[in-house]
Amino acid sequence: AQTVTQSQPEMSVQEAETVTLSCTYDTSESDYYLFWYKQPPSRQMILVIRQEAYKQQNATENRFSVNFQKAAKSFSLKISDSQLGDAAMYFCAYRTLLNSNYQLIWGAGTKLIIKP
Amino acid sequence: DAGVIQSPRHEVTEMGQEVTLRCKPISGHDYLFWYRQTMMRGLELLIYFNNNVPIDDSGMPEDRFSAKMPNASFSTLKIQPSEPRDSAVYFCASSLGQYNEQFFGPGTRLTVL
Repeated sequence: AQTVTQSQPEMSVQEAETVTLSCTYDTSESDYYLFWYKQPPSRQMILVIRQEAYKQQNATENRFSVNFQKAAKSFSLKISDSQLGDAAMYFCAYRTLLNSNYQLIWGAGTKLIIKP
Repeated sequence: DAGVIQSPRHEVTEMGQEVTLRCKPISGHDYLFWYRQTMMRGLELLIYFNNNVPIDDSGMPEDRFSAKMPNASFSTLKIQPSEPRDSAVYFCASSLGQYNEQFFGPGTRLTVL
């Protein structure tokens, strides 16, 4: 069974600096999707970025980018120029593309604190 | 688009009472998911539907929980009778097709006293 591990329960960064959140996963599959979701204090789960495993190029969305290392089964999120609004819980998630299984396998989350 | 709509946003009830949570997915989406989030267990998938049909309810904790999707624009999650350990935030999410991301509603914070 697939698992997702976020080893950092909490991270803090100075405003305007760069922070990297780690995520590793375990799977025997070759094709899948990986996601980073953000959950601010408002509780709304918001998709930050998505990566298809068959794509070698790392996904980027403005200040957010990923470092996808397929062989190492690592999917870290880099946030550049951190802003106060980035403060939230960040969840890494995995989804298989097999057997019409649309479940997301979630990590435990990392709480990101932005220091002004 | 209004996004996924959930109601109520907050629900406080007493043990033994019936609780009904409601969800309206994004128009045109064909998958609907119910999640529960607690500090202890994180985010858990309870059940999901495809074209109004329940596909996998293996995450439903026990028979006190039931979910329905009578049409493409409405789903309910019912807990009867409710217990204090059901206190959590319940999220509804929807997606279009099997390869697209899930869009989450704002959640319902349930407190069972």
